[in-house]
Amino acid sequence: QQPVQSPQAVILREGEDAVINCSSSKALYSVHWYRQKHGEAPVFLMILLKGGEQKGHEKISASFNEKKQQSSLYLTASQLSYSGTYFCGTDLVDYKLSFGAGTTVTVRA
Amino acid sequence: SAVISQKPSRDICQRGTSLTIQCQVDSQVTMMFWYRQQPGQSLTLIATANQGSEATYESGFVIDKFPISRPNLTFSTLTVSNMSPEDSSIYLCSVSGFEGTQYFGPGTRLLVL
Repeated sequence: QQPVQSPQAVILREGEDAVINCSSSKALYSVHWYRQKHGEAPVFLMILLKGGEQKGHEKISASFNEKKQQSSLYLTASQLSYSGTYFCGTDLVDYKLSFGAGTTVTVRA
Repeated sequence: SAVISQKPSRDICQRGTSLTIQCQVDSQVTMMFWYRQQPGQSLTLIATANQGSEATYESGFVIDKFPISRPNLTFSTLTVSNMSPEDSSIYLCSVSGFEGTQYFGPGTRLLVL
């Protein structure tokens, strides 16, 4: 039931764009995105709910395709602070999440 | 979002011993979880800490190895029992917010020798 993320890693220069994908084999109610910097705890970025609602608090956008059971996270005009490992989490029962393997993003000056 | 603290932040332990990790939240929360993150890996849910009842464990995790307490709505402990080097990981507690959003504590980095 673990969602599948791609790519595994991406290297960007400042200002470049990237897309991280997350897909599931089961129907989803929501998809959550987190970013973890080295040595730190994961930090919530965004939640996407069934019905197309998008929520978040950073200038990073995402989409949720319910029919395809997948979500994409868009890093636009990347900044050095975007570096880290991005995890998607898909909902299980009782508010539990199953996390993907992660995508490591490295942004270079 | 809730402010979550964990103790200890890191520890080095000998094989065969046990370590208890504490998780404190600054507000009452219903759902608390414990995760394990092995080096370079994703987050794996160990169990849901239920207030007033036994924890609910995920497949592959058992109470004898990872006993959990949840005496009130702001505090929980996870014990890693009879440790082996394979238990070397980061252990994180989290609380659930809006629509299941997880807010994580800073983690406990455990090294078992």
